[in-house]
Parts: sequence; C-alpha cells; structure tokens
Amino acid sequence: NAGVTQTPKFQVLKTGQSMTLQCAQDMNHNSMYWYRQDPGMGLRLIYYSASEGTTDKGEVPNGYNVSRLNKREFSLRLESAAPSQTSVYFCASSEWQGGTEAFFGQGTRLTVV
Amino acid sequence: QKEVEQNSGPLSVPEGAIASLNCTYSDRVSQSFFWYRQYSGKSPELIMSIYSNGDKEDGRFTAQLNKASQYVSLLIRDSQPSDSATYLCAVTSSNDYKLSFGAGTTVTVRA
Repeated sequence: NAGVTQTPKFQVLKTGQSMTLQCAQDMNHNSMYWYRQDPGMGLRLIYYSASEGTTDKGEVPNGYNVSRLNKREFSLRLESAAPSQTSVYFCASSEWQGGTEAFFGQGTRLTVV
Repeated sequence: QKEVEQNSGPLSVPEGAIASLNCTYSDRVSQSFFWYRQYSGKSPELIMSIYSNGDKEDGRFTAQLNKASQYVSLLIRDSQPSDSATYLCAVTSSNDYKLSFGAGTTVTVRA
C-alpha cells in the first residue's frame, strides 16, 4: 500500500518553463489537496478537490492550475514558472472533505532559477 | 486575517518537561481539528485529532478544544528528544471543507 505518491521528488526549472507535478493515492479517498511550504509559513493551500469532478482555489492559487483526472489522481501545473514558486510542494488526500485525517505524499522540492 | 494562528516559537523545553502548544482559529463554525508533527525534511504526520469540546488524551499527548474561545492546544508530557519537530495545527472549515494549517511551532527538547 503506497498511500500518496508524488512525482518528481526534486525539480529545477528555468523561469518561464512549465511543468506538472503528479499525485496519486491508492486509499480510495474522496478529497485531495495541494500545498506549498516555505520557511516559517507552514502549509499554504493552493488548490483542493473535495470530490472527484470538483476543484476549488485555496489561499495561494495564482500561477497554478489543477486537474482532478480521476478519483486517484490530482495534478498541479505551473504554466510559466517564477522564482517565487520555489518551494516544497505537498499533495495530500483524506477520506472525505477534510473531516478526517489527511495523508501526505513525500513532497516535491522545486527550485526555479 | 489568517485563519489559523499558532504561537510562533521556537519552543525549547528540557527532557521530561511538558511542552504546551497553542492554536487559535477564526471560523466560528469549524468542525475538525488536527495536530500534525513534521520532522525536518519530512512530510507531516497526524498525531491527534479532536472534534468536540474538552480534552482528548493519547499516550503522552493531550489535545484540548474550546470552541467558544476558538482555541485548540496540544500538551506533550514527559517530552523526549524524539519529540523535537515542528507541530502544525490544522482546521477544517465547515462551509467549504478546505483543510487549513497554521505556520507551525518548532519544538526542541534539550537532553
């Protein structure tokens, strides 16, 4: 049982490049989340998907897009990367709409130069 | 106004002491409350969840919730060096069910 799997673990991008962060969960969870973590800032919610077929903006959605491809997969896309998007990105899932424990992936460390 | 606020720390306690962590939230109808522990370079992991007013104990950890004061706390008794980590408070908003985190409190337990 892998839980929540994120790819890649590390990535370096040049300013203006695009990329997609992949996330998949095998726990049959309904809700999935994307967070970014910067030093001293805790986890800030970028986008979330309460259930398959729905997505909503979190605190810091600008510069990002998401796709809930199916119940298992929730991807995060950076269309034109900026140095301000240098961060550690975490994907998480929970059984239903935030009311139960969220399980986290191992994180993606992204550097934009 | 940030939705979830934590005492910023860092908090340094001697081994065997009690570490006390505090968290306040702004949404009066928040429903679910969580404490996560995050070791440096690792993912957050759940250590406590609490849904109703009062205390909830699990081993050396006690979570306390006071919805009237919009306050949730975590006590770590008999602190061990292995408790040295950042502790994140998380709250579910009842109107949109997003899971929001505080900035975290870094705890260091001195041997």
